[in-house]
Amino acid sequence: GAVVSQHPSRVICKSGTSVKIECRSLDFQATTMFWYRQFPKQSLMLMATSNEGSKATYEQGVEKDKFLINHASLTLSTLTVTSAHPEDSSFYICSARDGTDTGELFFGEGSRLTVL
Amino acid sequence: GQNIDQPTEMTATEGAIVQINCTYQTSGFNGLFWYQQHAGEAPTFLSYNVLDGLEEKGRFSSFLSRSKGYSYLLLKELQMKDSASYLCAAMDSNYQLIWGAGTKLIIKP
Repeated sequence: GAVVSQHPSRVICKSGTSVKIECRSLDFQATTMFWYRQFPKQSLMLMATSNEGSKATYEQGVEKDKFLINHASLTLSTLTVTSAHPEDSSFYICSARDGTDTGELFFGEGSRLTVL
Repeated sequence: GQNIDQPTEMTATEGAIVQINCTYQTSGFNGLFWYQQHAGEAPTFLSYNVLDGLEEKGRFSSFLSRSKGYSYLLLKELQMKDSASYLCAAMDSNYQLIWGAGTKLIIKP
């Protein structure tokens, strides 16, 4: 199946700093990628839909200026958590579809962010 | 509104069979997905159903009834490695996935 790679897998940062997470589709072109966050023992929460070459579509309640999404190419989307605070500590996961009829989502490995 | 319901937690014995149920309400419907997620890892795809009936894939099978808004995931010959959370997700008319909260499956020897 298609492969989505996410980096870094773990990051620890100080409060007030910014963190960038990369999501790459390795063997297919993804015009659309999805960014989720997941708190412990909870389901995936869609944050935004990243569209190649255009602005991301954010879900209600997600701050656009805090979670900056850039989808500059068909294989790369980035999520930048700006001025991170401890409450932003979470598991962030990206996913993409490979364009097949099933609509199956392929997930990155996830990035665990800890803000001190 | 859109909603997915699945049990929070289930316990089963190694070697046995377990069925995880999922009911959904969505605006339009374009398929039902099951994903497996081990603690601290990203979800991995298990199955996709868009037509009524049972889809079998090795030890795992998935069933869908569109008229009832109901699906189940059936796991046979349970192994300890099957201990994980199982996420049910329905795709709505906009091709957006609506996720359930997941069912934590605990396998006992």
